[in-house]
Amino acid sequence: QVQLVQSGAEVKKPGASVKVPCKASGYTFTTYAIHWVRQAPGQSLEWMGWINPGTGDTKYSQKLQGRVTITRDTSARTAYMEMTSLRSEDTAVYYCARGSTPVLWFGEFLTAPLDYWGQGTLVTVSS
Amino acid sequence: DIQMTQSPSSLSASVGDRVTITCRASQSISNYLNWYQQKSGKAPKLLIYSASSLQSGVPSRFSGSASGTDFTLTISSLQPEDFAIYYCQQSYNTPYTFGQGTKLEIK
Repeated sequence: QVQLVQSGAEVKKPGASVKVPCKASGYTFTTYAIHWVRQAPGQSLEWMGWINPGTGDTKYSQKLQGRVTITRDTSARTAYMEMTSLRSEDTAVYYCARGSTPVLWFGEFLTAPLDYWGQGTLVTVSS
Repeated sequence: DIQMTQSPSSLSASVGDRVTITCRASQSISNYLNWYQQKSGKAPKLLIYSASSLQSGVPSRFSGSASGTDFTLTISSLQPEDFAIYYCQQSYNTPYTFGQGTKLEIK
């Protein structure tokens, strides 16, 4: 069965960086895009970016561009989200999620919904 | 960015009720509208994609429809496990934006 497994909670000081892994299993890792979505306490969901694990191509939210980097290690079947220059307002649960359409279906995969989600990683930014 | 506006923001209903949640897009998004259910402390779960297609494994009491830039999620007969927060999301273009959520509570 498809699973996305994330790491445990992190506490960081303002100005620090965090790198959150998302390990995939149950499907061919390079076939589907991985997205990152975050949710601040009591708030809605915010899309951060995606990566095509097959090519390494990425797309980011302009709001976060420059502070977030999504990478992957295909041999480890793992995607990573790294955020730098952390601020208190970055305190949130960070989720990885799979796009439901194969990346080979170019164009269609860009509009795909998110069908499987990781369990989330709480990142707390506090001095 | 495309703004997604959900209404109502909260809703009280009873088991067996029919409920409707609405989501309006600030511009045309074709039918690239998805609905998710989120229970407390859990990741969102995909219910409906492409405005009206039911995700595999989701009960048939959930349905979606579209009219222009207005989209609707309907639960035909509420079950106890349906009390949760519901989000719409447009996947028409980036950034893929979500509505602010509708909290469905037990009356």
